[in-house]
Amino acid sequence: DTGVSQDPRHKITKRGQNVTFRCDPISEHNRLYWYRQTLGQGPEFLTYFQNEAQLEKSRLLSDRFSAERPKGSFSTLEIQRTEQGDSAMYLCASSLAGNDQPQHFGDGTRLSIL
Amino acid sequence: AQTVTQSQPEMSVQEAETVTLSCTYDTSESDYYLFWYKQPPSRQMILVIRQEAYKQQNATENRFSVNFQKAAKSFSLKISDSQLGDAAMYFCAYRSALRGSQGNLIFGKGTKLSVKP
Repeated sequence: DTGVSQDPRHKITKRGQNVTFRCDPISEHNRLYWYRQTLGQGPEFLTYFQNEAQLEKSRLLSDRFSAERPKGSFSTLEIQRTEQGDSAMYLCASSLAGNDQPQHFGDGTRLSIL
Repeated sequence: AQTVTQSQPEMSVQEAETVTLSCTYDTSESDYYLFWYKQPPSRQMILVIRQEAYKQQNATENRFSVNFQKAAKSFSLKISDSQLGDAAMYFCAYRSALRGSQGNLIFGKGTKLSVKP
């Protein structure tokens, strides 16, 4: 197992465009988390899946954001009509069930909005 | 709501010396987990050490140890015999142990550690 992988590593797009990121968790992990990290800040929670069910969404996740995890495997995070403020690193993490289980992070996708 | 505060934006240590990174947190919960994560430049975040709040004994992982003071809500990280590879951003994080909580991590703003040769 190669750990959590995210694609793409970098995304540059113009304001107003839609973007989609992909996260492939560690295969046996049923929990998957998305975080956003802006410059000089720690990661902030966006949303969380247990298997295919999206169980929690942060208030940071505006209507322009949507996340899916079909079949409880990989997950996608889509941002519609991107804005300058969406520029950030988007991190995915996965874990086994149970809050005592450590979260394993991917390398992240860095989004830059022109 | 829980918060995590790291009051040292940057720290520096000489190679082979010891450095302590500070972290305080605020919560009304009695059971939780605390973590230190390391994020090297342009590389993924990795778990350094974790502490269960119900355990009085401080966690240790090789050169990394914590000083967990539950009453003071303090959770500092000590790195002994610092190595060049320890240079990174270090994040302190909190996670609820409440059954039914989503289990997301709440992070501090981080401390950038530089190691001088």
